Amino acid sequence: EDQVTQSPEALRLQEGESSSLNCSYTVSGLRGLFWYRQDPGKGPEFLFTLYSAGEEKEKERLKATLTKKESFLHITAPKPEDSATYLCAVQAVGGSQGNLIFGKGTKLSVKP
Amino acid sequence: DGGITQSPKYLFRKEGQNVTLSCEQNLNHDAMYWYRQDPGQGLRLIYYSQIVNDFQKGDIAEGYSVSREKKESFPLTVTSAQKNPTAFYLCASSMRAGYNEQFFGPGTRLTVL
Repeated sequence: EDQVTQSPEALRLQEGESSSLNCSYTVSGLRGLFWYRQDPGKGPEFLFTLYSAGEEKEKERLKATLTKKESFLHITAPKPEDSATYLCAVQAVGGSQGNLIFGKGTKLSVKP
Repeated sequence: DGGITQSPKYLFRKEGQNVTLSCEQNLNHDAMYWYRQDPGQGLRLIYYSQIVNDFQKGDIAEGYSVSREKKESFPLTVTSAQKNPTAFYLCASSMRAGYNEQFFGPGTRLTVL
């Protein structure tokens, strides 16, 4: 069964304290892996798409990387405004055309 | 501005009533989706549409219905058959189904009284 697991469930950081969020996936074949940011009471905001192992994408303090079994979202010198829930989703080869499989998310809190 | 709009932001329903959630996009995307989000769970797909006048059931379609009469619009009806409809509903669109990132609207929070 295709599955996405995100860890940790929650992460508390001090401002400037770099860390990483993990997204492990089990799919028969990966078509794409997506990272989103979600603020409370709002819709997810698209961040990155990764397609193949070794690929990296960067945006401001965020960098996403991909291996054959997992993806990491690295946060460098985070600020309080980076506080949000970060969602990972995968699209499997041979899966339903509509289906992104979402993890449950990592809730990040950055304290000043 | 291009984007996805959902209305209303908050919706209250009495048991036994059908309600319709609106989703409109002006991104010229072919594919549109409806998801449900519950606390502590990942987003779950309700229905999706790859093209006008076509739609497919997702993982949790029971108790829901949709239509796609226009490219820009994909309304979701939550029927009285849905046993636990209180949730946060998210609409999304993508350039085409299966190959592109999905972009989400702001969501509708439905509460059954």
